[in-house]
Amino acid sequence: DIVMTQSPLSLPVTPGEPASISCRSSQSLLHSNGFNSVDWYLQKPGQPPQLLIYLGSYRASGVSDRFSGSGSGTDYTLKISRVEAEDVGVYYCMQALQTPLTFGGGTKVEIK
Amino acid sequence: EVQMLQSGGGFVQPGGSRRLSCVVSGFSVSEYDMSWVRQAPGKGLEWVTSFRGLEDGADFADSVKGRFTISRDTSKNTVYLQMNSLRAEDTAVYHCAKPLYTIYDGVSRGAFDFWGQGTGVIVSS
Repeated sequence: DIVMTQSPLSLPVTPGEPASISCRSSQSLLHSNGFNSVDWYLQKPGQPPQLLIYLGSYRASGVSDRFSGSGSGTDYTLKISRVEAEDVGVYYCMQALQTPLTFGGGTKVEIK
Repeated sequence: EVQMLQSGGGFVQPGGSRRLSCVVSGFSVSEYDMSWVRQAPGKGLEWVTSFRGLEDGADFADSVKGRFTISRDTSKNTVYLQMNSLRAEDTAVYHCAKPLYTIYDGVSRGAFDFWGQGTGVIVSS
């Protein structure tokens, strides 16, 4: 199984400041189709997860351009250019290269 | 507009069974590798199962293999998760999830762009 390791576990942020979350996979997530099979989700309290970034760097429909994804191989990053209060919640990366699909342990983002 | 309405959760004794339903509108369940993802209390997300659309099969997490099955009724545009031989560690909120790409795109089986609201299953005596 592919292990997804996220860091940090907790991320206190100041509104208006940038933030970054890292995700490392135990093997390359480069698909034979040329795409990186990694997604990023945000789960707000009491809600199902929402897709932010798919295929490593593609922003999902309706997602603010403050969010961006990058990376290749085994190392991926989610960046928030300017954190807003509505961005609080738990962020997860997930690999979709092969089953079992696996998630990172989550990063809890909270306002300082 | 995509909607995904879940039902079927509740209390069940260890060893018991439960069937979860996910009624969808706005797309056809036959065109997507629909999945189920669960979240145990206070824990992270865990993938449970996904259809393998073109192969007409499904994949399962090792933790549920042989006990859970996924099925669909295209006439009702509904996906089901049949859970048998339930254990305490199956206690979780279960979400159905729709991938962004269809089974014909061959791009990704993930990128879950729509999720059901979740239904809780509590396995306890």
